[in-house]
Amino acid sequence: GAVVSQHPSWVICKSGTSVKIECRSLDFQATTMFWYRQFPKQSLMLMATSNEGSKATYEQGVEKDKFLINHASLTLSTLTVTSAHPEDSSFYICSAPVDAYIAKLFFGSGTQLSVL
Amino acid sequence: RKEVEQDPGPFNVPEGATVAFNCTYSNSASQSFFWYRQDCRKEPKLLMSVYSSGNEDGRFTAQLNRASQYISLLIRDSKLSDSATYLCVVFLNKFYFGSGTKLNVKP
Repeated sequence: GAVVSQHPSWVICKSGTSVKIECRSLDFQATTMFWYRQFPKQSLMLMATSNEGSKATYEQGVEKDKFLINHASLTLSTLTVTSAHPEDSSFYICSAPVDAYIAKLFFGSGTQLSVL
Repeated sequence: RKEVEQDPGPFNVPEGATVAFNCTYSNSASQSFFWYRQDCRKEPKLLMSVYSSGNEDGRFTAQLNRASQYISLLIRDSKLSDSATYLCVVFLNKFYFGSGTKLNVKP
């Protein structure tokens, strides 16, 4: 089945540093990648949608200059949290629709970010 | 109003019990419906799609009621391994996730 590989699984960083999270589609081409954030006991909240070869679409309230998304190839999308602060500590997870009808999602394994 | 609403639980049930979760959605134009399972700090995994005619996969049965805009998941003969958070997901141009219903199956 379709696999989305996400790295790193967890990261601890100091406040003010930047963190890059990678998601790769291993056996299919992902023209679209969704990036979510999940705080404890809350639902997944869509942050942005990345599209290969074009600019990402950000959800309302998500700072595009803080959460940089790059989707340079059909198999790789990255999210960079710039100048991370403790309030950015969260579970970040990517997902890609498997088929053209984008009716089903496959998720990366998620990245737990802790900013000290 | 949230696009998808679920009772957060937790539902604490003994092994072998039957348990049901409901989920309501706000937009009647919603196109596709799913139940995902999420273990703590893990990625959600697709449990099953939900169809108007109702569908069953082993011990799991899903139902969709478009008139009342709710989705249900029934788990029969609960196992310890069913303990997880169950996410209701609705698709209308993009995916909307419920906050999840936590299930604890006790020995």
